[in-house]
Amino acid sequence: DGGITQSPKYLFRKEGQNVTLSCEQNLNHDAMYWYRQDPGQGLRLIYYSQIVNDFQKGDIAEGYSVSREKKESFPLTVTSAQKNPTAFYLCASTQAWGGTVDYGYTFGSGTRLTVV
Amino acid sequence: GIQVEQSPPDLILQEGANSTLRCNFSDSVNNLQWFHQNPWGQLINLFYIPSGTKQNGRLSATTVATERYSLLYISSSQTTDSGVYFCAVALFYGGSQGNLIFGKGTKLSVKP
Repeated sequence: DGGITQSPKYLFRKEGQNVTLSCEQNLNHDAMYWYRQDPGQGLRLIYYSQIVNDFQKGDIAEGYSVSREKKESFPLTVTSAQKNPTAFYLCASTQAWGGTVDYGYTFGSGTRLTVV
Repeated sequence: GIQVEQSPPDLILQEGANSTLRCNFSDSVNNLQWFHQNPWGQLINLFYIPSGTKQNGRLSATTVATERYSLLYISSSQTTDSGVYFCAVALFYGGSQGNLIFGKGTKLSVKP
């Protein structure tokens, strides 16, 4: 079955450490996204990529970095510059380009990151 | 930017009851989606519905784009319907899809 796989499910980060969250999709979707969710809140966009080797900052990109070397993969690095990284991180994908297609998003199951 | 407001913020139902969730948005959009987030955090796409009406089992959704609102109907609610329901909207730019903007959600609790 096609879908999005995020790993790990739980991640603990020490102060000053960089950590990388994995996101892989086999849906042949062009666009991929990273969202952050804090308790009781909606989703806020961190980074997005519409095509391989290109990505754009979202609303809360500071302290995060991404890469898009392959269509299937869009890893997110939470750097030590992110002062409050404890949150639930969700990766999503969708078709990006034209035609009468359903642009519904597919989400992964998320990674819960905690600073210890 | 586009504002998305959902109401009510919280809803408690007895199993078997019906409910209507509302999403208002501040500007014209050409992409609107409804999601359900279960208690484990998984977000499931319920409907891609930029306009018109769709039905899927006990769920249905209607978007009136000209009046900038969408409604999600849940009939004969079950305990498994509990969770948070999000509405999200986007615009298309130059033929490609813009980014989804999420509302704060409606937290639904269905009691047995």
